[in-house]
Amino acid sequence: DADVTQTPRNRITKTGKRIMLECSQTKGHDRMYWYRQDPGLGLRLIYYSFDVKDINKGEISDGYSVSRQAQAKFSLSLESAIPNQTALYFCATSGLWGNTGELFFGEGSRLTVL
Amino acid sequence: RKEVEQDPGPFNVPEGATVAFNCTYSNSASQSFFWYRQDCRKEPKLLMSVYSSGNEDGRFTAQLNRASQYISLLIRDSKLSDSATYLCVVTLNTGNQFYFGTGTSLTVIP
Repeated sequence: DADVTQTPRNRITKTGKRIMLECSQTKGHDRMYWYRQDPGLGLRLIYYSFDVKDINKGEISDGYSVSRQAQAKFSLSLESAIPNQTALYFCATSGLWGNTGELFFGEGSRLTVL
Repeated sequence: RKEVEQDPGPFNVPEGATVAFNCTYSNSASQSFFWYRQDCRKEPKLLMSVYSSGNEDGRFTAQLNRASQYISLLIRDSKLSDSATYLCVVTLNTGNQFYFGTGTSLTVIP
């Protein structure tokens, strides 16, 4: 089983719908991140969290919200989806700083907003 | 200005060739540096960290030049399985965020 699991893996929805992408991890990491990837733009940080009570905006947080329900779970919501939120979304985790600093990614959630 | 910039390529090289990618970063406070590999439609995975003294892992060599603010990745004796997108990643000394380049696409041709 994957250490970082994202659901759903693929979703097609319509403009204005509320969408939630879920992420769970078994690595025991405190730090969790949500990124989106678009062709030619690379990976951009949406939100990140360093523990259950910590939520921080990233580079492109507008139109998104997150919830850190537990150390192992970090969900991303699009309250009212719009077509330019069509992208590949990745959840990632990392251990405490001072380790390798490596990010561990889920397999991605491909979202299409029509 | 982007934190991290890479030549997107694509680089198309024959098997056995040596290929080099460069990446520049804008913030002199950048602390840690990495190369990640991403296969088509897959998640990125760490290829190697980049240390000030340079480091090598088999056919892969990473170099850091702090004065010029760039990092490089050299792949020797390219294999078909090296075909992927290579992402340059940088963190600041706060350690809070990872900044990704847009990636460089490599295709190794038989």
